[in-house]
Formats: sequence, structure tokens, C-alpha cells
Amino acid sequence: DTGVSQNPRHKITKRGQNVTFRCDPISEHNRLYWYRQTLGQGPEFLTYFQNEAQLEKSRLLSDRFSAERPKGSFSTLEIQRTEQGDSAMYLCASSLGAQGRTEAFFGQGTRLTVV
Amino acid sequence: GQSLEQPSEVTAVEGAIVQINCTYQTSGFYGLSWYQQHDGGAPTFLSYNGLDGLEETGRFSSFLSRSDSYGYLLLQELQMKDSASYFCASHTDKLIFGTGTRLQVFP
Repeated sequence: DTGVSQNPRHKITKRGQNVTFRCDPISEHNRLYWYRQTLGQGPEFLTYFQNEAQLEKSRLLSDRFSAERPKGSFSTLEIQRTEQGDSAMYLCASSLGAQGRTEAFFGQGTRLTVV
Repeated sequence: GQSLEQPSEVTAVEGAIVQINCTYQTSGFYGLSWYQQHDGGAPTFLSYNGLDGLEETGRFSSFLSRSDSYGYLLLQELQMKDSASYFCASHTDKLIFGTGTRLQVFP
């Protein structure tokens, strides 16, 4: 297993366009998280899945953001009608459960630039 | 809501010891983790505290006090490669990260 994989690594899009990112977690991991990170800040929680169920979406997240994890495997994060403020690094992480000593493994992220 | 506060920046010299503090406000708390992130890299796991007290992993140690909603990461025998950002993260029903501390190690 090669760890958590995210694609694409970089995405430049024009304001108003839709973008979709993909995350392939470690195969046996049932938890999958999406975070957004801007320069000098910590990873900001966006949403998470337990298997295929989306358990929570951040209240700070607008309706333009949606995520799916069909069949509890890979996940996609879509941003509709992108805005310049959406420019950030989008990180995906997976783990085996959440309670106790559960290490989250991160992908290398997708860097989004909205021009 | 949940929040974790850390100092924004810490500086130290090679060979020194540095402590990075984390105070948290959260409900349904299971434990506290620490992650390291080098510039341009992904966060990587360093340590976890589920119980009060000190956990030691090589040059790094982490401490938790549930009654004080406080934890810290202790880095000993600092090396240049330790220059990075460090995040505490609370384990509840999900994983929430702190604001991050940028550590700069000077020769």
C-alpha cells in the first residue's frame, strides 16, 4: 500500500468554474477526512466519513462544497462556482477509527489556485 | 465549538530543548495528538496522549493534563531538521487541529 493518494496535486481554475478533487485512502481505513489549509494556518476541518457515511460537515463550509465517498473507498470533494477565497491546499487524511491511539495519514494535498 | 490554541512561533538553537504548549476547549474528548509538518509537506503523526501524563518517543515527549485542558510537546536535542510546524489535534468524534506552532532551529 502506498499511503493516501490525492489527485490532482495542483489545480488552477478560473473563478466561477467547478473543480473536483479525488482522494484514495489507505485501503483498510474506515475514516476519511477532508481539510483545508492556508499558509501559516492549521488544517481546517471540512468534513469526514465513516465508511460511506458522511458524519459531519463543517458549519463554516458553504453549500458550494460537497463531498462523497461511494462504497466507502475513494472520496471526491467538489467545489462549485469557485471563488478566489477558495484558493488553498486541500488535504485528505484517513485513519482506522477515531478513538484511542489512531494515527491519521495524510495525502500530499491538492493545491487549488482560483484566478 | 472546539478550539485548540498554540503559540504561533518558537525559536531555539541546535541542541536545546523546546516546549510547545496547546490548550484546548472541546467536548467528548478522547485524547491529544501531535503532528509535524515541514514546508511543502503533509502533516505526519508524532505522538498521542490518551491518559494524563508523559509519553516519550525518542527525542520527543508529549504531556497531557485533562483537568487543565492542556498539553505540550517537548523536543530535546534539537536538530536543524526539526524546523517545521507542529500541530496539536484533539480526538473527539473527529480530529480537529490546532492553530500550529512554527519552530525555527538555528545553528
